[in-house]
Amino acid sequence: EAGVTQSPTHLIKTRGQQATLRCSPISGHTSVYWYQQALGLGLQFLLWYDEGEERNRGNFPPRFSGRQFPNYSSELNVNALELEDSALYLCASSLGTVGDAEAFFGQGTRLTVV
Amino acid sequence: GESVGLHLPTLSVQEGDNSIINCAYSNSASDYFIWYKQESGKGPQFIIDIRSNMDKRQGQRVTVLLNKTVKHLSLQIAATQPGDSAVYFCAEILNSGYSTLTFGKGTMLLVSP
Repeated sequence: EAGVTQSPTHLIKTRGQQATLRCSPISGHTSVYWYQQALGLGLQFLLWYDEGEERNRGNFPPRFSGRQFPNYSSELNVNALELEDSALYLCASSLGTVGDAEAFFGQGTRLTVV
Repeated sequence: GESVGLHLPTLSVQEGDNSIINCAYSNSASDYFIWYKQESGKGPQFIIDIRSNMDKRQGQRVTVLLNKTVKHLSLQIAATQPGDSAVYFCAEILNSGYSTLTFGKGTMLLVSP
């Protein structure tokens, strides 16, 4: 069975541009989580989607947004990119809410803003 | 030994030693904790979890200890192997209803053959 897949693996953008990152959860998983992992730091929670709805949002500006599609895949959009947005963006999926079900992570998208 | 600075805390051990990785969590109301392992170029991988009604849980070669009094978690790895070299994160759930995992900054474990 395929795990959580993210695309692209690497993405290079210039400051001010927009980036779109994609995540396909494990089949049957309805919850998708997005985390930002800046170099040398822990994972910072960005967004949680479940059944197509945004359930929770971390402490990030509105230019970080996303959505979940009917097939439960998800997209993270970052507008007006800034240099400090350079990070590994990780997506995780779970069968239910974390605490009731294990969250499985993808390998991430490395976003570099120049 | 263990060092803390601008970079990740690092624990260096010899193959075969037992390793202990520590984590201070932030919220006394957290009721579920998970340890993750992240190898270079990969996403975090679940190792072991523990709920707040327990103080110890054992897995294969790993043990998690929870001390709620001082808000402290530890991960013990027995007979550490070079393949255990990775960054280890503890994570807590601050509010089960909103299902948000809050991660610590991580500890790098380096295992020398």
